[in-house]
Amino acid sequence: GQNIDQPTEMTATEGAIVQINCTYQTSGFNGLFWYQQHAGEAPTFLSYNVLDGLEEKGRFSSFLSRSKGYSYLLLKELQMKDSASYLCAVRDQAAGNKLTFGGGTRVLVKP
Amino acid sequence: DAGVIQSPRHEVTEMGQEVTLRCKPISGHDYLFWYRQTMMRGLELLIYFNNNVPIDDSGMPEDRFSAKMPNASFSTLKIQPSEPRDSAVYFCASRQRGNNQPQHFGDGTRLSIL
Repeated sequence: GQNIDQPTEMTATEGAIVQINCTYQTSGFNGLFWYQQHAGEAPTFLSYNVLDGLEEKGRFSSFLSRSKGYSYLLLKELQMKDSASYLCAVRDQAAGNKLTFGGGTRVLVKP
Repeated sequence: DAGVIQSPRHEVTEMGQEVTLRCKPISGHDYLFWYRQTMMRGLELLIYFNNNVPIDDSGMPEDRFSAKMPNASFSTLKIQPSEPRDSAVYFCASRQRGNNQPQHFGDGTRLSIL
């Protein structure tokens, strides 16, 4: 089976930076996705990592270390609209390449 | 471009009734997924299809749940009979072929069983 851990909640100030960590255990790692989910809405795709290193997309960056089973999502220049849940999801070849989602990290951005 | 379309958006019904949730995936997407999301259990995969064929239904809770995909543009998730513990948000998602392709989610159906 898989085990995906993320902090439950984080609070940050508008304009600041927040780093959301995700650790995972899989038998056949085959990619990691980050999704954003506003309250009452559908998850939307943010980033994908399959090789070690940093992927940057504007204010959002995602990092992966396969040897450590670790990823983080970095949100820079926080805006009020970034208040949402952020879901880490791991694809495992040993599980038929299905995505397993972590419980999500609720980020609250304060003025 | 139209995204994944789900209906109804909200459903409230009494326990014991049959519930049918509907999904239209994005055109050209080979994979379709049904998820359930609750506060306690998060986002759980129920079943997924590849080219209209069910591939993995190990997440379906019990025999009361069934899913079909009669063609590439339509899928249903049926609960019969429904129970209060089935109350959740049910999401449908689709993606293109390729493991690096992200899943695109519909707006979900918020289901309440009284």
